[in-house]
Amino acid sequence: GAVVSQHPSWVICKSGTSVKIECRSLDFQATTMFWYRQFPKQSLMLMATSNEGSKATYEQGVEKDKFLINHASLTLSTLTVTSAHPEDSSFYICSARRDGFRLAGTSTDTQYFGPGTRLTVL
Amino acid sequence: QKEVEQNSGPLSVPEGAIASLNCTYSDRGSQSFFWYRQYSGKSPELIMFIYSNGDKEDGRFTAQLNKASQYVSLLIRDSQPSDSATYLCAVNAGGTSYGKLTFGQGTILTVHP
Repeated sequence: GAVVSQHPSWVICKSGTSVKIECRSLDFQATTMFWYRQFPKQSLMLMATSNEGSKATYEQGVEKDKFLINHASLTLSTLTVTSAHPEDSSFYICSARRDGFRLAGTSTDTQYFGPGTRLTVL
Repeated sequence: QKEVEQNSGPLSVPEGAIASLNCTYSDRGSQSFFWYRQYSGKSPELIMFIYSNGDKEDGRFTAQLNKASQYVSLLIRDSQPSDSATYLCAVNAGGTSYGKLTFGQGTILTVHP
Protein backbone atom coordinates (compact mmCIF):
# COMPACT_ATOMS: atom_id res chain seq x y z
CA GLY A 1 0.00 0.00 0.00
CA ALA A 2 0.94 3.63 -0.41
CA VAL A 3 3.00 5.02 2.44
CA VAL A 4 3.81 8.57 3.42
CA SER A 5 6.47 9.22 6.01
CA GLN A 6 7.29 12.30 8.01
CA HIS A 7 10.49 13.16 9.78
CA PRO A 8 10.93 13.91 12.56
CA SER A 9 7.93 12.48 14.37
CA TRP A 10 8.42 14.97 17.15
CA VAL A 11 10.71 17.90 17.82
CA ILE A 12 11.32 20.28 20.69
CA CYS A 13 13.12 23.50 19.97
CA LYS A 14 13.86 26.84 21.51
CA SER A 15 12.00 29.97 20.54
CA GLY A 16 13.62 31.72 17.59
CA THR A 17 15.08 28.64 15.96
CA SER A 18 14.01 27.12 12.66
CA VAL A 19 12.67 23.61 12.25
CA LYS A 20 12.46 21.57 9.06
CA ILE A 21 9.88 18.82 8.61
CA GLU A 22 10.14 16.34 5.77
CA CYS A 23 7.27 14.58 4.03
CA ARG A 24 8.07 11.68 1.73
CA SER A 25 5.94 9.46 -0.44
CA LEU A 26 7.78 6.17 -0.19
CA ASP A 27 6.38 4.13 -3.05
CA PHE A 28 4.57 6.52 -5.34
CA GLN A 29 4.99 9.84 -7.03
CA ALA A 30 3.22 12.88 -5.71
CA THR A 31 3.16 16.02 -7.77
CA THR A 32 1.07 17.62 -5.08
CA MET A 33 1.38 17.45 -1.33
CA PHE A 34 -0.61 19.27 1.29
CA TRP A 35 0.44 20.60 4.68
CA TYR A 36 -2.02 20.73 7.55
CA ARG A 37 -1.78 21.98 11.11
CA GLN A 38 -3.83 20.74 14.02
CA PHE A 39 -4.00 22.42 17.40
CA PRO A 40 -5.16 20.41 20.44
CA LYS A 41 -8.82 19.46 20.31
CA GLN A 42 -9.24 21.19 16.95
CA SER A 43 -9.60 19.93 13.42
CA LEU A 44 -7.04 19.92 10.65
CA MET A 45 -6.50 23.23 8.96
CA LEU A 46 -4.93 23.32 5.53
CA MET A 47 -1.87 25.54 5.50
CA ALA A 48 -0.61 25.22 1.96
CA THR A 49 -0.55 23.19 -1.21
CA SER A 50 2.90 22.11 -2.28
CA ASN A 51 3.53 21.56 -6.00
CA GLU A 52 6.63 19.89 -7.35
CA GLY A 53 8.84 22.34 -9.18
CA SER A 54 6.78 25.42 -8.42
CA LYS A 55 5.89 27.73 -5.60
CA ALA A 56 3.54 26.58 -2.90
CA THR A 57 0.06 28.01 -2.63
CA TYR A 58 -0.74 29.23 0.86
CA GLU A 59 -4.14 29.47 2.48
CA GLN A 60 -5.40 32.80 3.67
CA GLY A 61 -3.81 33.84 6.92
CA VAL A 62 -0.76 31.59 6.62
CA GLU A 63 2.51 33.51 6.45
CA LYS A 64 4.52 32.22 3.52
CA ASP A 65 7.74 33.77 4.82
CA LYS A 66 7.35 31.97 8.12
CA PHE A 67 6.33 28.58 6.76
CA LEU A 68 8.70 27.86 3.90
CA ILE A 69 7.72 24.98 1.64
CA ASN A 70 10.00 23.31 -0.87
CA HIS A 71 8.80 20.49 -3.12
CA ALA A 72 12.06 19.61 -4.81
CA SER A 73 11.17 16.17 -6.13
CA LEU A 74 8.17 13.99 -6.85
CA THR A 75 8.59 12.23 -3.52
CA LEU A 76 9.70 14.93 -1.10
CA SER A 77 8.22 18.11 0.29
CA THR A 78 9.67 20.03 3.22
CA LEU A 79 8.10 22.53 5.57
CA THR A 80 10.43 24.86 7.45
CA VAL A 81 9.03 26.78 10.37
CA THR A 82 11.30 29.80 10.60
CA SER A 83 11.91 31.66 13.84
CA ALA A 84 9.52 29.38 15.66
CA HIS A 85 7.59 30.69 18.65
CA PRO A 86 5.51 28.90 21.28
CA GLU A 87 2.30 29.69 19.38
CA ASP A 88 3.66 27.60 16.49
CA SER A 89 3.56 24.52 18.69
CA SER A 90 1.18 22.16 16.95
CA PHE A 91 0.75 18.84 15.18
CA TYR A 92 1.85 19.20 11.56
CA ILE A 93 0.52 16.64 9.11
CA CYS A 94 1.27 16.26 5.43
CA SER A 95 -0.67 14.39 2.81
CA ALA A 96 0.44 13.30 -0.62
CA ARG A 97 -1.81 12.99 -3.62
CA ARG A 98 -1.00 9.88 -5.57
CA ASP A 99 -0.84 10.91 -9.20
CA GLY A 100 -3.32 9.07 -11.40
CA PHE A 101 -4.50 6.73 -8.68
CA ARG A 102 -8.14 7.56 -8.60
CA LEU A 103 -10.68 6.73 -5.97
CA ALA A 104 -12.86 4.02 -7.50
CA GLY A 105 -15.33 5.51 -9.96
CA THR A 106 -14.21 9.09 -9.45
CA SER A 107 -11.88 11.63 -10.95
CA THR A 108 -10.41 12.28 -7.53
CA ASP A 109 -6.85 11.23 -6.82
CA THR A 110 -6.32 9.43 -3.57
CA GLN A 111 -4.57 11.28 -0.76
CA TYR A 112 -2.46 9.55 1.84
CA PHE A 113 -1.61 11.14 5.14
CA GLY A 114 1.71 11.04 6.89
CA PRO A 115 1.92 10.12 10.57
CA GLY A 116 2.41 13.74 11.65
CA THR A 117 5.10 15.74 13.40
CA ARG A 118 4.53 17.17 16.83
CA LEU A 119 6.36 20.46 17.26
CA THR A 120 6.89 21.97 20.69
CA VAL A 121 8.52 25.38 20.89
CA LEU A 122 9.79 26.35 24.31
CA GLN B 1 -16.18 30.86 3.29
CA LYS B 2 -16.46 27.19 2.61
CA GLU B 3 -17.44 25.40 5.78
CA VAL B 4 -17.94 21.89 6.99
CA GLU B 5 -19.94 21.42 10.14
CA GLN B 6 -20.28 18.26 12.18
CA ASN B 7 -22.77 17.42 14.89
CA SER B 8 -21.47 18.45 18.23
CA GLY B 9 -20.22 15.73 20.49
CA PRO B 10 -19.06 13.96 22.28
CA LEU B 11 -21.19 11.01 21.27
CA SER B 12 -21.40 8.04 23.58
CA VAL B 13 -22.99 4.76 22.57
CA PRO B 14 -23.01 1.30 24.14
CA GLU B 15 -21.13 -1.54 22.53
CA GLY B 16 -23.14 -3.13 19.77
CA ALA B 17 -25.28 -0.06 19.10
CA ILE B 18 -25.39 2.07 15.97
CA ALA B 19 -23.42 5.29 16.04
CA SER B 20 -24.66 8.07 13.77
CA LEU B 21 -22.37 10.90 12.74
CA ASN B 22 -23.58 13.85 10.72
CA CYS B 23 -21.96 16.52 8.58
CA THR B 24 -23.20 19.46 6.52
CA TYR B 25 -21.23 21.50 4.03
CA SER B 26 -21.73 24.92 2.55
CA ASP B 27 -20.13 24.65 -0.91
CA ARG B 28 -22.76 23.26 -3.26
CA GLY B 29 -20.05 22.55 -5.83
CA SER B 30 -18.31 20.02 -3.58
CA GLN B 31 -17.64 16.77 -5.34
CA SER B 32 -16.18 14.18 -3.00
CA PHE B 33 -16.82 13.50 0.64
CA PHE B 34 -14.67 11.63 3.10
CA TRP B 35 -14.88 10.23 6.57
CA TYR B 36 -11.64 9.91 8.51
CA ARG B 37 -10.99 8.37 11.89
CA GLN B 38 -8.35 9.91 14.09
CA TYR B 39 -7.03 8.37 17.27
CA SER B 40 -5.46 10.65 19.83
CA GLY B 41 -1.97 11.72 18.77
CA LYS B 42 -2.24 10.06 15.38
CA SER B 43 -2.91 11.29 11.88
CA PRO B 44 -6.29 10.66 10.21
CA GLU B 45 -7.00 7.39 8.49
CA LEU B 46 -9.54 7.12 5.71
CA ILE B 47 -12.65 5.08 6.50
CA MET B 48 -14.89 5.83 3.55
CA PHE B 49 -15.47 8.18 0.70
CA ILE B 50 -18.63 8.88 -1.24
CA TYR B 51 -19.40 11.00 -4.27
CA SER B 52 -22.88 9.96 -5.45
CA ASN B 53 -26.20 10.53 -3.76
CA GLY B 54 -27.40 7.60 -1.74
CA ASP B 55 -25.80 5.03 0.49
CA LYS B 56 -22.46 3.33 0.32
CA GLU B 57 -21.72 0.40 2.57
CA ASP B 58 -18.38 -1.08 3.59
CA GLY B 59 -18.51 -3.65 6.34
CA ARG B 60 -19.94 -2.07 9.46
CA PHE B 61 -19.78 1.40 7.97
CA THR B 62 -22.39 3.11 5.81
CA ALA B 63 -21.93 6.56 4.34
CA GLN B 64 -24.96 8.49 3.16
CA LEU B 65 -24.90 11.51 0.86
CA ASN B 66 -27.66 13.94 0.01
CA LYS B 67 -26.31 16.69 -2.21
CA ALA B 68 -29.62 18.55 -2.36
CA SER B 69 -29.54 18.93 1.41
CA GLN B 70 -25.73 19.26 1.45
CA TYR B 71 -25.56 16.55 4.03
CA VAL B 72 -23.37 13.53 4.53
CA SER B 73 -23.49 11.02 7.35
CA LEU B 74 -21.67 7.98 8.63
CA LEU B 75 -23.36 5.08 10.39
CA ILE B 76 -21.31 2.60 12.37
CA ARG B 77 -23.17 -0.62 13.09
CA ASP B 78 -22.29 -2.98 15.91
CA SER B 79 -20.06 -0.35 17.47
CA GLN B 80 -16.96 -1.63 19.22
CA PRO B 81 -14.80 0.01 21.90
CA SER B 82 -12.03 0.15 19.30
CA ASP B 83 -14.23 2.53 17.28
CA SER B 84 -13.76 5.14 20.00
CA ALA B 85 -11.99 8.00 18.25
CA THR B 86 -12.56 11.37 16.68
CA TYR B 87 -14.36 11.19 13.35
CA LEU B 88 -13.62 13.87 10.80
CA CYS B 89 -15.78 14.74 7.85
CA ALA B 90 -13.84 16.19 4.91
CA VAL B 91 -14.99 17.69 1.67
CA ASN B 92 -13.13 18.01 -1.62
CA ALA B 93 -14.37 21.02 -3.50
CA GLY B 94 -12.91 20.10 -6.85
CA GLY B 95 -12.48 22.59 -9.67
CA THR B 96 -9.69 25.05 -8.97
CA SER B 97 -9.59 23.72 -5.44
CA TYR B 98 -9.01 20.20 -6.70
CA GLY B 99 -7.53 17.98 -4.06
CA LYS B 100 -7.88 20.41 -1.19
CA LEU B 101 -9.78 18.96 1.71
CA THR B 102 -11.80 21.05 4.10
CA PHE B 103 -12.31 19.31 7.41
CA GLY B 104 -15.08 19.61 9.93
CA GLN B 105 -14.28 20.11 13.56
CA GLY B 106 -14.68 16.42 14.33
CA THR B 107 -17.00 14.41 16.54
CA ILE B 108 -15.59 12.45 19.44
CA LEU B 109 -17.16 9.01 19.66
CA THR B 110 -16.93 6.85 22.76
CA VAL B 111 -18.17 3.28 22.66
CA HIS B 112 -18.53 1.92 26.16
CA PRO B 113 -18.65 -1.79 26.99
